[in-house]
Order: sequence, then structure tokens, then C-alpha cells
Amino acid sequence: GAGVSQSPRYKVAKRGQDVALRCDPISGHVSLFWYQQALGQGPEFLTYFQNEAQLDKSGLPSDRFFAERPEGSVSTLKIQRTQQEDSAVYLCASSLSWDQPQHFGDGTRLSIL
Amino acid sequence: DQQVKQNSPSLSVQEGRISILNCDYTNSMFDYFLWYKKYPAEGPTFLISISSIKDKNEDGRFTVFLNKSAKHLSLHIVPSQPGDSAVYFCAALLTGGGNKLTFGTGTQLKVEL
Repeated sequence: GAGVSQSPRYKVAKRGQDVALRCDPISGHVSLFWYQQALGQGPEFLTYFQNEAQLDKSGLPSDRFFAERPEGSVSTLKIQRTQQEDSAVYLCASSLSWDQPQHFGDGTRLSIL
Repeated sequence: DQQVKQNSPSLSVQEGRISILNCDYTNSMFDYFLWYKKYPAEGPTFLISISSIKDKNEDGRFTVFLNKSAKHLSLHIVPSQPGDSAVYFCAALLTGGGNKLTFGTGTQLKVEL
């Protein structure tokens, strides 16, 4: 497809489990972003990659959150020892370059029981 | 500290009339602003943007106005159509700051027949 693809669309996990969320950006897009959207709120920045380099991870809420983009295309957001407050929609966005609008995927809805 | 604010959680407009969505920001360093539209269970879709060196940008039925002195921007939709019913997010960007978007909390627009 031509858009940003995220998988899975829905993920239910028990508190304490580890989860991995995947993002396939638009082909050729250099910049990749992860955002967290809580219910009734706007998306909040988590981290930013330019190619394989993670240039900003200031939004990651704790050291339980880890993101990677080893080959500069697909990215994975990993959350270890999940907690109930991690329940949210996780959005991935990509852009052709820093000065182009970000295009979002449909998100992964994570529910921690 | 909410740096981008959308004080109206919802707005209802009749089809054919003008919709005006408002957004305020507190960080005077923001220099680029965007509007995104979001349907349920989908990711945000880029709508229109404006640089801080301009005070107006128009694209078809959509116009964004920026008042830097008031730290205020607005999105005008004319004429409004039922398909415009969605949540609209205002977002701000500091282009020298890693290009992460700072979002407002969104305004739910309902266009009624």
C-alpha cells in the first residue's frame, strides 16, 4: 500500500508483559515519528528517527519504552513490563524530509489488563 | 503544560455554512502550524499548514489564518459538508527542534444536514 502501515491494529496484553508494535513507513520517507494518544487527548510525541538514527527520544515516558529502526525503514516500538497507564493508541508517522508534512498510520490500540 | 490549546471540544454547523475552528498556542518559538483531520479508528490526515511568515493560507474550501501577536490560529471551512464531520487537531512545530509535532486536544466538528 501507499500509506503508513502499522501492526497489529489491536493488542491486548496483561500487565507485566512485553509488547512490540511495528511501523512500515511510506517508501522513501527519511523521517519517522512515534506518538502516543490517550483517550480524549491529542497525540503526544515519543521519539523521532532520521533514517536509522534516533535523533530525539525525549518523549519516551520511561526506560521501559524502546524504539528502533535498524535499516532505516521499518521501525519497532517495544514496551517492557507493561502497565495499565500504557493503554493508548500508538501512532506512527513518516515524512519525506524534515520540512514535509507527516503522514500517519491508523495506529495500534494497546489495552493493558 | 499544554502548549497548544483547542478550547472548544465540539462544534456543530449546518451544511453549507462556515465552520471556524480555533487554536491557541503559548510557545512563541513555534514557527510552523498544521491542521489534521481524524476519522474514528483512522490516523490523522494532513489538511493544511501555514508558516509563521504568513498570515493566511488557502486550499480549496480550507483556509488557515495565523495571528502571531495573539498566538492564535483558525481553520475556516467554507462551505461545510457532511463529510467534514471529524475531529480536527491543530499542531505546532519548531522547525529547528527535531520536527516533532505538538498537538492540541482536538475539536469534534459535526456538520448537520
